[in-house]
Amino acid sequence: KQEVTQIPAALSVPEGENLVLNCSFTDSAIYNLQWFRQDPGKGLTSLLLIQSSQREQTSGRLNASLDKSSGRSTLYIAASQPGDSATYLCAVRPQGGSEKLVFGKGTKLTVNP
Amino acid sequence: NAGVMQNPRHLVRRRGQEARLRCSPMKGHSHVYWYRQLPEEGLKFMVYLQKENIIDESGMPKERFSAEFPKEGPSILRIQQVVRGDSAAYFCASSQGQGHSPLHFGNGTRLTVT
Repeated sequence: KQEVTQIPAALSVPEGENLVLNCSFTDSAIYNLQWFRQDPGKGLTSLLLIQSSQREQTSGRLNASLDKSSGRSTLYIAASQPGDSATYLCAVRPQGGSEKLVFGKGTKLTVNP
Repeated sequence: NAGVMQNPRHLVRRRGQEARLRCSPMKGHSHVYWYRQLPEEGLKFMVYLQKENIIDESGMPKERFSAEFPKEGPSILRIQQVVRGDSAAYFCASSQGQGHSPLHFGNGTRLTVT
């Protein structure tokens, strides 16, 4: 059974700092991995999608890496801003034709001005 | 706005009543997924539907819960005889159904059972 773990559960940093959020998964047989952002009381916004054959994806100040063999992904946020404060969720789509995603519990990020 | 639309945003029901949650997928998307987020928990998959078909309902409780995605109209998640443990945020997502396409989520319906 696939399980996704995100560490740390919460993180507080000063504005301008570069930071890394971690995601690990127990079964390396994945189709892709997706990072989301969730603001309080809101839905999920897709940030980056990495296919299993890819090593990383970049969008603006965000960079996500994937090491499928070790079951790990990281989300790197450069020059953090208060507007980056949110919960960041990692989700994997298992191989085998299943469309469903398996989510971690998220990392709650606070960027202090 | 062509995003995933869910309504209502908030729903309050007394124990024993029925709850109906609606989801209109993004334009051009024919695949719909429902997820539930309990307090302090991650999102859990409930059901995956295509038009008029339930593809995977392995995450749905066996009783009281049902889902449909008719040929016309939104997808409906229906919870009969609600109990306090059903209180949660219910999220709908849609995709084009191709393996490389990302899921796009709605803002969710927050169900409170009193």
